[in-house]
Amino acid sequence: KNEVEQSPQNLTAQEGEFITINCSYSVGISALHWLQQHPGGGIVSLFMLSSGKKKHGRLIATINIQEKHSSLHITASHPRDSAVYICAAPLNYGGSQGNLIFGKGTKLSVKP
Amino acid sequence: GAGVSQSPRYKVTKRGQDVTLRCDPISSHATLYWYQQALGQGPEFLTYFNYEAQPDKSGLPSDRFSAERPEGSISTLTIQRTEQRDSAMYRCASSSGTGGGSTQYFGPGTRLLVL
Repeated sequence: KNEVEQSPQNLTAQEGEFITINCSYSVGISALHWLQQHPGGGIVSLFMLSSGKKKHGRLIATINIQEKHSSLHITASHPRDSAVYICAAPLNYGGSQGNLIFGKGTKLSVKP
Repeated sequence: GAGVSQSPRYKVTKRGQDVTLRCDPISSHATLYWYQQALGQGPEFLTYFNYEAQPDKSGLPSDRFSAERPEGSISTLTIQRTEQRDSAMYRCASSSGTGGGSTQYFGPGTRLLVL
């Protein structure tokens, strides 16, 4: 069983829809990372959060530490949001090592 | 530099050959990670460096894989006697801190194809 699981694996939406991607993890973590992998392959860090909620533009990330669950929301989705969204958790809770365990990613396709 | 760079971007090699991949991290970053990403999967940890020290190489799949960062900046990942199963995207990331609470900045990756 993967220690970081995402759902759904694939998601198709119409432009303008509100999108939610979910991430559950079984390890204790110091912070959860959300990343975006572009169609060209590059990976960009979107958020790193350890509690509550963070917002950047149309992207919102929330985390519930007790339930070991995080969500990434996209408001007013646009075709340029099409990408693979990956959540990742550090291997060692509270430790000095930050190598990440990655979910398998959610492939989002936003149609015009 | 402005970001993390990797070279080559693409590498095609024949089974049995050795390959060396290079990562040039953000210049002020102490920590450097190597990940392997198979097609359609998320990246998987290989090894990491804190400056020139290599505290954890538990993710390296076999002794054919080795990594160095001799001066605490540029790192190389070498795969000896490549096998077809080594075909993957190899990603490097760097961060200013060592813990899980530090943002990691990823390079563009090296796509390796072993024929």
